[in-house]
Amino acid sequence: EVQLVQSGAEVKEPGESLKISCRGSGYSFGHYWIGWVRQMPGKGLEWMGIIYPVDSHTIYSPSFQGQVTISADKSINTAFLQWNSLKASDTAIYFCARFRTPYGSGYDAFQIWGRGTMVTVAS
Amino acid sequence: QSVLTQPPSVSGAPGQRVTISCTGSSSNIGAGYDVHWYQKLPATAPKLLIYGDNNRPSGVPDRFSGSKSGTTASLAISGLQAEDEADYYCQSYDNTLGGWGVFGGGTKLTVL
Repeated sequence: EVQLVQSGAEVKEPGESLKISCRGSGYSFGHYWIGWVRQMPGKGLEWMGIIYPVDSHTIYSPSFQGQVTISADKSINTAFLQWNSLKASDTAIYFCARFRTPYGSGYDAFQIWGRGTMVTVAS
Repeated sequence: QSVLTQPPSVSGAPGQRVTISCTGSSSNIGAGYDVHWYQKLPATAPKLLIYGDNNRPSGVPDRFSGSKSGTTASLAISGLQAEDEADYYCQSYDNTLGGWGVFGGGTKLTVL
């Protein structure tokens, strides 16, 4: 079965660092773009960025460029989303999602989704 | 404020047909980038409904259809059912600042 398994919920204080994960299974992990999508409480979906695990080529939304780091380790079939210094406004659910088709240019749809990781940042 | 504009809400009675619009610009939908549509139920991950403007993944009922013209894409849902009540999001790509993905603001569908 093709699936993405995300790491568990996190509660952090402002200024702390965090790295959440998304492990793929049941498919050739390296050859499918994986992306991250944010949903803040009561708000809509936001496209954060995508990574192609084979070469770690990454595309960020301008809104998230410099705010987070997307990475991947194809040896363990896992993608990551990282913050160096969290803010209260980072409180949200973060979904990872895989493109529908392998290879490609980066304009595909997200077909396989993780269940989401809830990140709460509060003092 | 989203790059792609959707109506905040739409509604319809069971059995009726509703459409949800997604309006962009010449740097995204109008540039020819594919539009994808997702259904989002509370406390669940989004589900892909339509990809590449008008294609349904396996398992999605043919009550759901997509179209695109110029800078606007649309999702149509016919034979409305109670379980269709959800949030719907369009998604495409924008070629400003190097190219990146964008979602619409989302539309809440209420089945009356």
